[in-house]
Amino acid sequence: AQSVTQLDSQVPVFEEAPVELRCNYSSSVSVYLFWYVQYPNQGLQLLLKYLSGSTLVESINGFEAEFNKSQTSFHLRKPSVHISDTAEYFCAVSDFSGSEKLVFGKGTKLTVNP
Amino acid sequence: EAGVAQSPRYKIIEKRQSVAFWCNPISGHATLYWYQQILGQGPKLLIQFQNNGVVDDSQLPKDRFSAERLKGVDSTLKIQPAKLEDSAVYLCASSRVAGNLNSPLHFGNGTRLTVT
Repeated sequence: AQSVTQLDSQVPVFEEAPVELRCNYSSSVSVYLFWYVQYPNQGLQLLLKYLSGSTLVESINGFEAEFNKSQTSFHLRKPSVHISDTAEYFCAVSDFSGSEKLVFGKGTKLTVNP
Repeated sequence: EAGVAQSPRYKIIEKRQSVAFWCNPISGHATLYWYQQILGQGPKLLIQFQNNGVVDDSQLPKDRFSAERLKGVDSTLKIQPAKLEDSAVYLCASSRVAGNLNSPLHFGNGTRLTVT
């Protein structure tokens, strides 16, 4: 079975500062990794995903995440955040073995202050 | 395209009462999921449908929870009787093709259930 640990429940930062949201996973098989974002009063949206190939994946709004197999990590980074990035971010893992069950972490609430 | 629709948006009931949630997935999406998100935790899969058949319900508390997807489109999730620990946001999601890693999940806004 897989599990996901998001090390920080809350991350406050100032606008234009860099941010890193940490995610570690455990699994006995190969996995696929995802970051979802949940803006206030909205549903979850896929931010980016790692399936195979390049270990560095990027989103359209400037976030990136790097899959590190040796450290079993998939940390999310952005070099300069905006107020509009304030949201809750969830890391998720799937092994796609029959069922497409996503196992989510507990989430990290990112608050960007002016 | 229209997103995943869920109703009601909020529901407050007393323990031991019954409640039902409704989900309308994106048109043409064969796979439908129900997730439970307890405050402070990530979403947990309750049940997955492929068309109108159940693929995975291993984490559904079947003594009190039931779900159906008639005609492979809309779905309802029912709790009977509700317990205090069922207070959570219930999320519905759909995807176009099962088993396709490039077919992302689309989530609805959820139904927030409070059991008093």
